Amino acid sequence: GAVVSQHPSWVICKSGTSVKIECRSLDFQATTMFWYRQFPKQSLMLMATSNEGSKATYEQGVEKDKFLINHASLTLSTLTVTSAHPEDSSFYICSASRGLSGGHNEQFFGPGTRLTVL
Amino acid sequence: AQKVTQAQTEISVVEKEDVTLDCVYETRDTTYYLFWYKQPPSGELVFLIRRNSFDEQNEISGRYSWNFQKSTSSFNFTITASQVVDSAVYFCALSERGANNLFFGTGTRLTVIP
Repeated sequence: GAVVSQHPSWVICKSGTSVKIECRSLDFQATTMFWYRQFPKQSLMLMATSNEGSKATYEQGVEKDKFLINHASLTLSTLTVTSAHPEDSSFYICSASRGLSGGHNEQFFGPGTRLTVL
Repeated sequence: AQKVTQAQTEISVVEKEDVTLDCVYETRDTTYYLFWYKQPPSGELVFLIRRNSFDEQNEISGRYSWNFQKSTSSFNFTITASQVVDSAVYFCALSERGANNLFFGTGTRLTVIP
């Protein structure tokens, strides 16, 4: 149990276009979902936390107008990178938690989406 | 403030050797959680262990073992009889009670040479 999927697994797009990444919890209801970004050979950095039905909470330095997060249901969260630029190229990873307090409840990670912006 | 330090950036060992990955953490909270994750070349994070701050018992799972010492704020991970399939980046992470996010260390890239 506790499987999280992401779609697409990789995407290449032109600069200036928008890209949507989906994160789904397949066999459980995810009250909280998290979006991380990982640059090559670096650690995971939390971008934002979203609770179902409410606005996402963004970490300092993350532009909420550029990285749109929607958590419309208990099994789906989407991250849209708007007007993507080459510096947005990264590995985006989502995770899902059953509880509201993510740290206390285990986070289950998706397989990640590799975004390349040309 | 939370902080997780993995001082070893890269480690190479020959197959069947034992290897220990170090993790030192900082937190002001008395209740917190520590994690280890494995990230193979495919990129997907694999959960290995979660330990809460009140449980200092060491744990062994097959070839994996973890040594949690609050006195030194360390949560080290040992792989015995390493195998090529153990080659990956290993992340130590910390979360405080009530906090939403996991704070990851910078990771240790382990290469097991056949």
